[in-house]
Amino acid sequence: AQSVTQLGSHVSVSEGALVLLRCNYSSSVPPYLFWYVQYPNQGLQLLLKYTSAATLVKGINGFEAEFKKSETSFHLTKPSAHMSDAAEYFCAVSDRDDKIIFGKGTRLHILP
Amino acid sequence: NAGVMQNPRHLVRRRGQEARLRCSPMKGHSHVYWYRQLPEEGLKFMVYLQKENIIDESGMPKERFSAEFPKEGPSILRIQQVVRGDSAAYFCASSPPMRLLQETQYFGPGTRLLVL
Repeated sequence: AQSVTQLGSHVSVSEGALVLLRCNYSSSVPPYLFWYVQYPNQGLQLLLKYTSAATLVKGINGFEAEFKKSETSFHLTKPSAHMSDAAEYFCAVSDRDDKIIFGKGTRLHILP
Repeated sequence: NAGVMQNPRHLVRRRGQEARLRCSPMKGHSHVYWYRQLPEEGLKFMVYLQKENIIDESGMPKERFSAEFPKEGPSILRIQQVVRGDSAAYFCASSPPMRLLQETQYFGPGTRLLVL
């Protein structure tokens, strides 16, 4: 069975600092991996996805994530945090059955 | 191109009433997914539908919940005899019909159901 673990339900970083949101997955087959962002009272917006091409995936808003099979990780990073990045971030995994399994989310706080 | 639309955005029901949540997929999309987000939790898959067919309902509670996606009109998630534990945000997502690779699912803004 597939699963996703996001380490840290809340992460705080200073504006301009590096953002690192951690995600580890479990999958019996080569997975598809996703990061979604959710702003308050809104739906989910896809940041980026990994589908077995390049292991370093670049997404929108300056975010990127690296697929590391040996570590079963797909951590999300951004070099310099902006106030507008404050939101909840969800890591997710899917195999080929169209069902997406989400992590519990990490709420990112940006400190001025 | 309008995105995935859901209505109502907020719905208040008393225990025992019925809740009907609607989802209009993006233009050209024929696959619809429903997810439920409980407070402080991630989204959990409920059901996957194509036009007039339920493909995977493994995440649907066995009682009181049903979903449809008719040939014409929006997809409907129906919850009969709601209970307080049904209070959650319900999200719909859609994807296009061609599934050469894992197609991105595009999410609607959600319906926030509150059961009093």
